[in-house]
Amino acid sequence: AQTVTQSQPEMSVQEAETVTLSCTYDTSESDYYLFWYKQPPSRQMILVIRQEAYKQQNATENRFSVNFQKAAKSFSLKISDSQLGDAAMYFCAYRRDTGRRALTFGSGTRLQVQP
Amino acid sequence: DTAVSQTPKYLVTQMGNDKSIKCEQNLGHDTMYWYKQDSKKFLKIMFSYNNKELIINETVPNRFSPKSPDKAHLNLHINSLELGDSAVYFCASSQDWDNESGNTIYFGEGSWLTVV
Repeated sequence: AQTVTQSQPEMSVQEAETVTLSCTYDTSESDYYLFWYKQPPSRQMILVIRQEAYKQQNATENRFSVNFQKAAKSFSLKISDSQLGDAAMYFCAYRRDTGRRALTFGSGTRLQVQP
Repeated sequence: DTAVSQTPKYLVTQMGNDKSIKCEQNLGHDTMYWYKQDSKKFLKIMFSYNNKELIINETVPNRFSPKSPDKAHLNLHINSLELGDSAVYFCASSQDWDNESGNTIYFGEGSWLTVV
């Protein structure tokens, strides 16, 4: 079974600084998808960024980028120029390419942004 | 135009009651899901339907029964509610094998259920 591990329950960053959230996963599959979702206090799950495992290039969405290391099964999220609105829970998630394709989530990292 | 909408958003009810949460998606997706987020924020899949057919049924009490009248709707009915059922329930949808959406699962805003 696939597992996703987020080893940082909480992180803190100063406004305008850069922070990296860690995620590792375990799978025997070669094709899959990885995601970062943001959950603000409103509880809504918002997609931040996604990565297809077959793509070597790291995904980027404005201030958000990932460092995808397939061999190491690592998928970290970098937030540049942090803003107060970035404060939220961040969940790393894995999705298989075949068969049972529901998301498997990590336990989340709570990010605080200090003004 | 909300893509995945759930009702009600908040629900407070007594133990032993039966309640339903409704979900609708207007994205044209063929797969829908129910996820549960417990008090520790952990998210776990409960059910998944593809074109009205149940494809994932995790180990949940049989007091929970999903129903999909068509591929745009997936409702969750809960019988004999217990204190431990208090959680946020998320409906979600995806269009699988769609390169444009990147096989992304889109979530509703969640339904916060409190059993007292």
